[in-house]
Amino acid sequence: GAVVSQHPSRVICKSGTSVKIECRSLDFQATTMFWYRQFPKQSLMLMATSNEGSKATYEQGVEKDKFLINHASLTLSTLTVTSAHPEDSSFYICSASAGDYEQYFGPGTRLTVT
Amino acid sequence: DAKTTQPPSMDCAEGRAANLPCNHSTISGNEYVYWYRQIHSQGPQYIIHGLKNNETNEMASLIITEDRKSSTLILPHATLRDTAVYYCIADSDQTGANNLFFGTGTRLTVIP
Repeated sequence: GAVVSQHPSRVICKSGTSVKIECRSLDFQATTMFWYRQFPKQSLMLMATSNEGSKATYEQGVEKDKFLINHASLTLSTLTVTSAHPEDSSFYICSASAGDYEQYFGPGTRLTVT
Repeated sequence: DAKTTQPPSMDCAEGRAANLPCNHSTISGNEYVYWYRQIHSQGPQYIIHGLKNNETNEMASLIITEDRKSSTLILPHATLRDTAVYYCIADSDQTGANNLFFGTGTRLTVIP
């Protein structure tokens, strides 16, 4: 089946710094990728929809200037958390569509902001 | 997309069948029922989906009522590795191009 990878799997950063998370579709091209956030003991919440070559569509309440999304190629989307704060600590998960019925999820990135 | 409701948690003995219910009383005619699961600290994994016919694959079976207002995911012989949160999602898209709305899901614990 199709594989989606994320890098890094875990990251710890200091408050005020920026962190970039990569999401790659390894064996298929993904015109659409999604970014989700999951706080402890909660469900996944969609942050934004990323379309290759165009601006991402953000969900209500998600700051686009804080969570920068770039989808420059059909196999790579990046999420940059700018000026991270402790409340941004969360599990960030990306997913991608290969055009079949299944959505393929990455393994997630656990961000801890100290 | 239709909202789904699931029990928050269930236990199942190892080796027995796990039957996970889902209500989707407002589902529309073009919406499929998808099941995903999330093992702790991992990304979600697709299990199965269906429209109105019952479906079976190597992982599970999906039973959809005739009025399509509810469905049941069946894991025929649960193992400890099936302990996870199971999400039932109604989605009109069959290309994976729609974002998925994850409700609270059912936390299944398989007991040795």
